[in-house]
Order: sequence, then C-alpha cells, then structure tokens
Amino acid sequence: DADVTQTPRNRITKTGKRIMLECSQTKGHDRMYWYRQDPGLGLRLIYYSFDVKDINKGEISDGYSVSRQAQAKFSLSLESAIPNQTALYFCATSDDQTDRWDTQYFGPGTRLTVL
Amino acid sequence: AQTVTQSQPEMSVQEAETVTLSCTYDTSESDYYLFWYKQPPSRQMILVIRQEAYKQQNATENRFSVNFQKAAKSFSLKISDSQLGDAAMYFCAYGSSNTGKLIFGQGTTLQVKP
Repeated sequence: DADVTQTPRNRITKTGKRIMLECSQTKGHDRMYWYRQDPGLGLRLIYYSFDVKDINKGEISDGYSVSRQAQAKFSLSLESAIPNQTALYFCATSDDQTDRWDTQYFGPGTRLTVL
Repeated sequence: AQTVTQSQPEMSVQEAETVTLSCTYDTSESDYYLFWYKQPPSRQMILVIRQEAYKQQNATENRFSVNFQKAAKSFSLKISDSQLGDAAMYFCAYGSSNTGKLIFGQGTTLQVKP
C-alpha cells in the first residue's frame, strides 16, 4: 500500500462548487504540505502543517483552506472553485524526528479541472 | 526570498549517453538542502537525489550524480548511461533549514531517444 494517498485522483467540477481534496499518510510523519503544479511554474506551496495544531499559509493560499484532522490526515478545500484553480495538486509529508526532516515524500497527485 | 531557476525547458539524450540538467538558485541562507525530483508520465514525484549544502562532496545515487557549486549557487544533475525509463520531467528544489519549506524550479522535460 502507498504511504501517502490522495483522494480523489481525478475530479471535474463546476465554477462555484465547494470541493475537498483529501490526503492520508501511514508514514507517521508530523509535517504535511499541499502544493499545486502548473505547466511552466513548477510546484508552489499552498499550505503546510508541522503538527496537528500548527497550520501555515504558503505562497499561494488565497482561495484555499485546510484542515488537519489528525496526524495522518490533511485536507485541502476550495470553498468556491474557479477555473484558474485547474491544476495538479500534491500532498507531501516529511519526518522531523530524523536527520532527514528536510526530505519530502509525495502522494500520487489529484488532477482537478474546474469548468 | 529564495528562488530556483531551471533554464532548460526541454532536453533530449540518446539512450546510453550522458546528459546534464542545469539548476541555479538564489539564497542568503547558509544552511539548506537541494534536491532533484523526477516526475514520469505517471505524475508521481520521485526523489532522485539529495545534497546537504554544508557537505562539499557531491551526492551520487547509482547513475545519477550532482555537480554542486555552492559559491556559484549551481546544482546540476548528471544522468549517465541514460535509459528509456529516465524520460520524465525533472524538478530541482531548494529546502530551507529556517522554514522547512521547499521551493521548486520550473522543471526540465527530458526525452530519451532509442
């Protein structure tokens, strides 16, 4: 089984709809991250969380919110989706209990299309 | 703020040959990490190699090695004996020790010709 899972893997929605992307991990890592990938722009950080009570905005948090329900779960919500939020979304984790705290491990990604 | 630049949107290499992907970064921090990630058509992000900035020795992982030039803020990836399975998009990333965040470059698409 994959260590970092994302659901759904693909989603098509309409402008104005609320949508939630979910991320679960079995790695036991405290740190979790949400990124979006756009062609020619690489991956950009939306939100990150270093533990259940710690939530921080990344560089492109407008239009998004997150919830850290447990150590293993980190959800990303689009309250009112718009077409320019069409992108590939990745969840990632890292382990701050080791000397490899800097290394992030990624889920398989969610392809989101907003019509 | 830190930035990462990959100036080669696309590269191609003949199977079994060697190719080098370029990456430069800008930072005022002294303690940081650098990474190369591979994204094949499956879109999974796979860690290829990791370099600790305080180490002068270049990291290697099998056919993958880096040329880390700290003063020049350059971090290139060399792939030796290229294989068809190496075809992918490659991302260079900077990891800040202060913030724990990664900053990615724009990516380089590598084509491997048989």
